[in-house]
Formats: sequence, structure tokens, C-alpha cells
Amino acid sequence: GQQVMQIPQYQHVQEGEDFTTYCNSSTTLSNIQWYKQRPGGHPVFLIQLVKSGEVKKQKRLTFQFGEAKKNSSLHITATQTTDVGTYFCAGRSGKFYFGSGTKLNVKP
Amino acid sequence: DGGITQSPKYLFRKEGQNVTLSCEQNLNHDAMYWYRQDPGQGLRLIYYSQIVNDFQKGDIAEGYSVSREKKESFPLTVTSAQKNPTAFYLCASSSGTGQGSQPQHFGDGTRLSIL
Repeated sequence: GQQVMQIPQYQHVQEGEDFTTYCNSSTTLSNIQWYKQRPGGHPVFLIQLVKSGEVKKQKRLTFQFGEAKKNSSLHITATQTTDVGTYFCAGRSGKFYFGSGTKLNVKP
Repeated sequence: DGGITQSPKYLFRKEGQNVTLSCEQNLNHDAMYWYRQDPGQGLRLIYYSQIVNDFQKGDIAEGYSVSREKKESFPLTVTSAQKNPTAFYLCASSSGTGQGSQPQHFGDGTRLSIL
């Protein structure tokens, strides 16, 4: 069954609004990776988090890894139309699983 | 320019036919992976290989076969036993041999449909 759950499945926002996607696991993860897939494209690696409570930033994107290493989030501040795509988390707990993704649509 | 090349971009399969999807990488990565992506779903692992001449089944290996005779190449055959092959197939590679320990680099994918 699905080892890494991701919510929400879809998110529609107005340009300039913030966006957050959440990733949850029932087991402790050794790491969490985030990928972005543009429409019609392939997943592109964004970042990897390894430490408990880790927070990393890439411009308007903020990535967090929970203290218990069972959840993670990706927050985008002031979305732009270039942020459109599906964001996947992927976590390793013995095996490596991708979440089902959150599809972000940004209305100009 | 280093990367992963998948071919063809689009592929059509007739009933009862085996088809092979090509994946080549020049990143000198040890590990290679095949994923299947269905609309609105995440990536499901079909097969992975951590070293030449060795590969492991993923979560949905039934109806698929692979080979890893060269470090650069990891072709996937979709056999006639796979009754629902229509999907987007993605090949990926990573350095290191622990699945998920390093970032994965993806090819552009192959869209397979049934005629």
C-alpha cells in the first residue's frame, strides 16, 4: 500500500496567494525528497531533507522535515504562474516511495 | 551535455505484442530505475538496478522485464502479459546504490498506448 501520503490532491490559487502541500508517513523516514513535474514534463529534483526539524529555503519555497521525521511540507510564498505543476514528495523507510502528488494551478 | 535519454517519446502496442522502451544515461550513475505514472497518480516503481547485471523487482513488476548489461543502459520490455500497459513510463538514475539516498534524475518519458 501507499507508504507516503500527500495532501491535498489538487490546489487552485490566485497568483500571489500562498500554497502548501503536506507529506505524511506512518513510519520514520530516513530522508525526504521533493520533486516538481511541469505539465507534460518529467519530475525534477528540488531538494532533500535529512535531519529532524530541518528547514531549507529556495527563494519563495520553504521545505520542512518534521521533528519525528514522519512528515514534511513544502510552502510557496506568493505563487507565480511559473509555479504551476505537480509537486511530489518521496521518502525512504527501508524502501523508497513517492507520494501521489499535489497538482498546483495558479490563476493569473 | 549529461543526462538521460528515453526513446521513443510515443509508442503504440498491439495486443499480444512485446515492446521495448529504451533508457540511456551518460551521468556515470550506478543506479537506474523504471517508474510507471498513471493520470493523477504518483510514480510506482517497476524495476530498479543498483549495479550492472543485477536488478530488483519493484512494486508492480508483473508483466515487465528489464536487463542491465551495460552501466549506461536499462531497457524495459512491456510484455503481452501486462494487460493494462497504457501509461507514462519514466526512467531515472542516481549516484550511489541506496534507493532514495541520492536525488534521482529523470528522462523525458515514453507514453505507451494500446492500439
